[in-house]
Amino acid sequence: ETGVTQTPRHLVMGMTNKKSLKCEQHLGHNAMYWYKQSAKKPLELMFVYSLEERVENNSVPSRFSPECPNSSHLFLHLHTLQPEDSALYLCASSQGDSDNYEQYFGPGTRLTVT
Amino acid sequence: SQKIEQNSEALNIQEGKTATLTCNYTNYSPAYLQWYRQDPGRGPVFLLLIRENEKEKRKERLKVTFDTTLKQSLFHITASQPADSATYLCALDIPISGGYNKLIFGAGTRLAVHP
Repeated sequence: ETGVTQTPRHLVMGMTNKKSLKCEQHLGHNAMYWYKQSAKKPLELMFVYSLEERVENNSVPSRFSPECPNSSHLFLHLHTLQPEDSALYLCASSQGDSDNYEQYFGPGTRLTVT
Repeated sequence: SQKIEQNSEALNIQEGKTATLTCNYTNYSPAYLQWYRQDPGRGPVFLLLIRENEKEKRKERLKVTFDTTLKQSLFHITASQPADSATYLCALDIPISGGYNKLIFGAGTRLAVHP
């Protein structure tokens, strides 16, 4: 995939582990997003970054810590997660200040917390 | 409370027929509404965006309508094919600070097109 890539694609971690999810967009966009998708639930927006600054934090627990070192990369640092955090984590990007607001999603990271 | 509802958990139709999916919302005033397709285990893919001042938008076999009075969008796939089988997500486009937007998604409608 050349648009939005995510690594790893699958991750199993224990509740005491620390891990990071990585997202990279190759589209020259200036906004990036993290979403959580749990079974039988709608996509939930977690964070919005614009030009490396966080513009939205959707009341996400502090055990999820985002980082945006530049406009092409977005990380989600995970620590002391709970089993209910198991889900598909999706990254997306968009050109936020244009007239086209569609978001381009990566393939997701399937996270299982044991 | 704010809510987005998409009709029925699954929609089964015969190949060649028109599929019609519904998205209803309450207590939002979106400037735009977007539709996405999601296949199992993959990220959503953008299909169409419709603005609040547009009644209808078309793209190939797809058609979207947007009624801000009824707070409803309808998504049609004409001459449906088995390859159209997927989950279709409705998303309200809500402006946030700095001229950016965020999407609030419905739970999706799973469409199955049978040969």
